[in-house]
Amino acid sequence: AQKITQTQPGMFVQEKEAVTLDCTYDTSDPSYGLFWYKQPSSGEMIFLIYQGSYDQQNATEGRYSLNFQKARKSANLVISASQLGDSAMYFCAMKGGNTGKLIFGQGTTLQVKP
Amino acid sequence: DVKVTQSSRYLVKRTGEKVFLECVQDMDHENMFWYRQDPGLGLRLIYFSYDVKMKEKGDIPEGYSVSREKKERFSLILESASTNQTSMYLCASSSGGTGVNTEAFFGQGTRLTVV
Repeated sequence: AQKITQTQPGMFVQEKEAVTLDCTYDTSDPSYGLFWYKQPSSGEMIFLIYQGSYDQQNATEGRYSLNFQKARKSANLVISASQLGDSAMYFCAMKGGNTGKLIFGQGTTLQVKP
Repeated sequence: DVKVTQSSRYLVKRTGEKVFLECVQDMDHENMFWYRQDPGLGLRLIYFSYDVKMKEKGDIPEGYSVSREKKERFSLILESASTNQTSMYLCASSSGGTGVNTEAFFGQGTRLTVV
């Protein structure tokens, strides 16, 4: 069975500093995709970054990077140079199996302090 | 832009009522999903569909059913609403069928209160 775990319910970071949000996963599928989404207080879900299980390099998108450690089954999100607008809930997600099932973790609330 | 539209933003229903939550997407996506979001529990998958008339149970299907008669529309049905189904419901869609590399696009959510 697939499982995604985010163990940090809440995190604080100082503006302009980097922060790492943890995500571990479990699956027996050889092919899977890992995603991070941001949910601001407005409630919309914003796609941030994607990593495929066969990708050799860690994904990067602007200030977001994904620290993918396949052997440890972790896919941590790193946000560099935090901004006040980064304050939001962040969700890790995994798509796999032979049906495209997409599951999410419990989420981490990030607060950026000025 | 991809648009996923949920029929209601807020809904109040009585215990025992049959409730329909509708979701429509305009990008010809194969996959559609229904989640509920509760504080501390994240998004939990109720049902998903990877093709018309195909459906798969997610992690918490009890008390729910779904219908996908047309590719663009995915309906979530609460057969007999109960107070523990009070929650935020999110619909999403993605392309790629059974592939794993396509992101999902979300609707604005429906906050359902069962009284």
